[in-house]
Amino acid sequence: GEDVEQSLFLSVREGDSSVINCTYTDSSSTYLYWYKQEPGAGLQLLTYIFSNMDMKQDQRLTVLLNKKDKHLSLRIADTQTGDSAIYFCAEGGETDKLIFGTGTRLQVFP
Amino acid sequence: NAGVTQTPKFRVLKTGQSMTLLCAQDMNHEYMYWYRQDPGMGLRLIHYSVGEGTTAKGEVPDGYNVSRLKKQNFLLGLESAAPSQTSVYFCASSRAARTYEQYFGPGTRLTVT
Repeated sequence: GEDVEQSLFLSVREGDSSVINCTYTDSSSTYLYWYKQEPGAGLQLLTYIFSNMDMKQDQRLTVLLNKKDKHLSLRIADTQTGDSAIYFCAEGGETDKLIFGTGTRLQVFP
Repeated sequence: NAGVTQTPKFRVLKTGQSMTLLCAQDMNHEYMYWYRQDPGMGLRLIHYSVGEGTTAKGEVPDGYNVSRLKKQNFLLGLESAAPSQTSVYFCASSRAARTYEQYFGPGTRLTVT
């Protein structure tokens, strides 16, 4: 079945870059998403990428997609303490549902 | 616009009790979803709806029922709560499936003792 995997934790120093990785199994995925969840809140869409793209940049965020390896990454440049949150990767394919990963908790320390 | 709202925000139930969680959206979205979030397991889809009067099972539907009598509301029911249903429940809505952003509510933290 469909599965999306992420590492559970990432800790970075303020000002460094963060890279959050995700692997997925559904080769028919047409869109891949990154959502952010701040403490005590619901998820908010950060960015998404079409499956026919390799890269998408949006200010401090860079999304890289390796479709051959079914690998997605989110790079946050100049990471700030306000970036501390849980980041979810999700894939959307030919169904009405998104499949979410387990989430990566990003901790930014000064 | 309020977006997606959920009531209640917190609830403690005893095993065997029943309750209904209410989700409301004011964006005229067709699709609505109920998820549960558990540590280390991410978000798992319980039930969803592709329009008023329709519902469908998600990944973990057992022990839950849903209804979508009005387009703006999606209700999640627990008929006989069990400790395994202790979780944070999120409702989401989207304009359509697949390519559209899902908008999430703030969540309901449910504890079953």
